[in-house]
Amino acid sequence: GAVVSQHPSWVICKSGTSVKIECRSLDFQATTMFWYRQFPKQSLMLMATSNEGSKATYEQGVEKDKFLINHASLTLSTLTVTSAHPEDSSFYICSAYRGGEQYFGPGTRLTVT
Amino acid sequence: GENVEQHPSTLSVQEGDSAVIKCTYSDSASNYFPWYKQELGKGPQLIIDIRSNVGEKKDQRIAVTLNKTAKHFSLHITETQPEDSAVYFCAASIIGAAGNKLTFGGGTRVLVKP
Repeated sequence: GAVVSQHPSWVICKSGTSVKIECRSLDFQATTMFWYRQFPKQSLMLMATSNEGSKATYEQGVEKDKFLINHASLTLSTLTVTSAHPEDSSFYICSAYRGGEQYFGPGTRLTVT
Repeated sequence: GENVEQHPSTLSVQEGDSAVIKCTYSDSASNYFPWYKQELGKGPQLIIDIRSNVGEKKDQRIAVTLNKTAKHFSLHITETQPEDSAVYFCAASIIGAAGNKLTFGGGTRVLVKP
């Protein structure tokens, strides 16, 4: 149990376009999900905490208007990267919180050309 | 806020030897310390965790120790195998606060040479 999926697993988009990444908890409900960004050979950096039915809480330095987070149900959170630029190219990972633990998705590789 | 330091950044060991990774944390309120293994192109997977009311925890070839006074915790992998090659991250959090918001260490790239 406690499986988290992400879709797509990888995406290439052109500069200036927007891209949406989905994070789903497949076999449990999660009131809280987290979004992380990971650059090559670096650690995971928390971008925001997503709570079902309320606004996301963004970490310092993360542009909330650029990284739109929606947590409309207990099993789905989405991250939309708006007006993407090459510097947004990264590995985006979500996690879902249950019973004191965070369960991580497999990640989404975003490449902006 | 919490700050987690992790050492070493890279670790190369011979198959069958032991590997030790150390982390220190700054927030004395932190009481949950998980370790994750991340393989290339994948998300992190929890391999073991420890809570502050316990000093040591073991699961087969993996063990974690915690020294609350010194604010450091360590991961020990014994009898290493090539499949243990990966990046390992330590993390710290406060249980129940903000859904267990995790602060990660910088990661250790472990290479097990056959």
